Amino acid sequence: GAVVSQHPSRVICKSGTSVKIECRSLDFQATTMFWYRQFPKQSLMLMATSNEGSKATYEQGVEKDKFLINHASLTLSTLTVTSAHPEDSSFYICSATKDRAAEAFFGQGTRLTVV
Amino acid sequence: TQLLEQSPQFLSIQEGENLTVYCNSSSVFSSLQWYRQEPGEGPVLLVTVVTGGEVKKLKRLTFQFGDARKDSSLHITAAQPGDTGLYLCAAWWNSGYALNFGKGTSLLVTP
Repeated sequence: GAVVSQHPSRVICKSGTSVKIECRSLDFQATTMFWYRQFPKQSLMLMATSNEGSKATYEQGVEKDKFLINHASLTLSTLTVTSAHPEDSSFYICSATKDRAAEAFFGQGTRLTVV
Repeated sequence: TQLLEQSPQFLSIQEGENLTVYCNSSSVFSSLQWYRQEPGEGPVLLVTVVTGGEVKKLKRLTFQFGDARKDSSLHITAAQPGDTGLYLCAAWWNSGYALNFGKGTSLLVTP
């Protein structure tokens, strides 16, 4: 299968600062990347879908200005949590697909803790 | 709105027991996927079911897609502690532009 690498795996930041999470497809070109948020013992909640070179499509209730997504190339998407607060602490996971509705490959996830 | 309903949400069984997890929706899907996730890691795809009535087997795991392609089940035979994890069903939405997940079934298999 294809490999998706997410970095960092863990990050602790202070309230009010911004954190950038990277998602890279290592051995394939990802036409679409997805960002999810997951709370303990809960499922993955889709935050946004990003296509290379275009603006991300955010799910209802997700603040665009708070969660900035950039899909600059076919192998890299970034999620920036701006002005982080403790309630933003969560597990963030990205996934990537080669084609629409094809198999999705997931990154290892990023554990964000805002103190 | 929860598009995929999964049950049960939590399941704790002893090694050797059998179990079934269900994934239901009012919508018809062209395909449905099952994933398994361990704590602190991303989900890993187990299987994709495509045809109504399809049954796929993966060692002790049996996956079935409903005839109407609205529901699916995952059956585990003789569960082992290594089966412990979060089992998620997922389906493509919006003509394949979004992959949404059910709420998940957290399975604990004790020796």
